[in-house]
Amino acid sequence: KAGVTQTPRYLIKTRGQQVTLSCSPISGHRSVSWYQQTPGQGLQFLFEYFSETQRNKGNFPGRFSGRQFSNSRSEMNVSTLELGDSALYLCASMAERGSPLHFGNGTRLTVT
Amino acid sequence: GNSVTQMEGPVTLSEEAFLTINCTYTATGYPSLFWYVQYPGEGLQLLLKATKADDKGSNKGFEATYRKETTSFHLEKGSVQVSDSAVYFCALSVTGAGSYQLTFGKGTKLSVIP
Repeated sequence: KAGVTQTPRYLIKTRGQQVTLSCSPISGHRSVSWYQQTPGQGLQFLFEYFSETQRNKGNFPGRFSGRQFSNSRSEMNVSTLELGDSALYLCASMAERGSPLHFGNGTRLTVT
Repeated sequence: GNSVTQMEGPVTLSEEAFLTINCTYTATGYPSLFWYVQYPGEGLQLLLKATKADDKGSNKGFEATYRKETTSFHLEKGSVQVSDSAVYFCALSVTGAGSYQLTFGKGTKLSVIP
């Protein structure tokens, strides 16, 4: 079974631009979560989607948004990029609530 | 709210040494506890978990026991190998009626030298 796939692996953007990251969960997994990882703040929860509905959102500004499609694939979007948005963005999928989260290898976003 | 505190790294050990990484937590509700490991350039992998008090999670020689009385979930391994070099994260989840999310500690970087 293929794991969680995130594309692209690396992105370089300029301040003020917007970016879209993609995540394909493990086949059959309907829950997709996003986390931001930075050296200063560590791993922080962004949001979780289940069956195309956002179930929960972390403490991030409205510039961070996401969506989930009917095939469970998910995208997250960051608008008006700031230098502080530079981070590793990790996607994780889960078969059912309480089962382990399976993480992708992440997208490394650099904002210059 | 929920929070996880784990010992700051980096931790450097010689091969075959004993490893302990401390982790304590605060949680509203009854959490499940996890240890995740991150190798360079990769995402997180679940190492072990425990879902109720006194449960012991174990995997690949690593162990951690859910101690409700001390709100702790310390990671131990009797004899580390160079291949164990990675960053280790302690995490908790409290599953409510709504969604499911993990709260992570800051991570502890382990380097094992031959």
